[in-house]
Amino acid sequence: DAGITQSPRHKVTETGTPVTLRCHQTENHRYMYWYRQDPGHGLRLIHYSYGVKDTDKGEVSDGYSVSRSKTEDFLLTLESATSSQTSVYFCAISDPFETGLEGYGYTFGSGTRLTVV
Amino acid sequence: QKEVEQNSGPLSVPEGAIASLNCTYSDRGSQSFFWYRQYSGKSPELIMFIYSNGDKEDGRFTAQLNKASQYVSLLIRDSQPSDSATYLCAVKTQGGSEKLVFGKGTKLTVNP
Repeated sequence: DAGITQSPRHKVTETGTPVTLRCHQTENHRYMYWYRQDPGHGLRLIHYSYGVKDTDKGEVSDGYSVSRSKTEDFLLTLESATSSQTSVYFCAISDPFETGLEGYGYTFGSGTRLTVV
Repeated sequence: QKEVEQNSGPLSVPEGAIASLNCTYSDRGSQSFFWYRQYSGKSPELIMFIYSNGDKEDGRFTAQLNKASQYVSLLIRDSQPSDSATYLCAVKTQGGSEKLVFGKGTKLTVNP
């Protein structure tokens, strides 16, 4: 996906280990988001950021932390991975001030498939 | 809890038919509404957005919004096998938040 990359694309980790997923954008968008997608649950917001060092929790934030030290990078950390955190993680970006439209939308990264064994 | 509900599907239509995807939302103050298409194993991509009551057309796609009924739909005319995907409805709620709430998606299959 142009302008937004996620790394790694796939990861297998063991229960109890810390894991960090990275989202990098070149669009200079103000807002960044981390979602997880699971069968039967759809996309659920974990954390989001509305600027450097400005972050807030989403609906499923327990067990996750984030950091944004510069505009282009938004990191998601699983403090101590559990099997329930096996999922596909998507990063997304947006910036209504760029588009000038009320009806802007997100651009998603390609996703990270995380398996916790 | 602000909710977005979609008909669970799966929905199967023959090639050339009209596919109709529906979505309801709980927050009456919701402002903008989006349809995303997600192919299997891929990330969601935005295909339509609408924020005024009525219809909005883009090629073979028409989004319909009825705020009084808290209902938004997506019509796909002349459906093609390449339209086979999961369609996600998303809603931007009131209050100045930039967050989107997503429905669980409807899987559409277009049969040749």
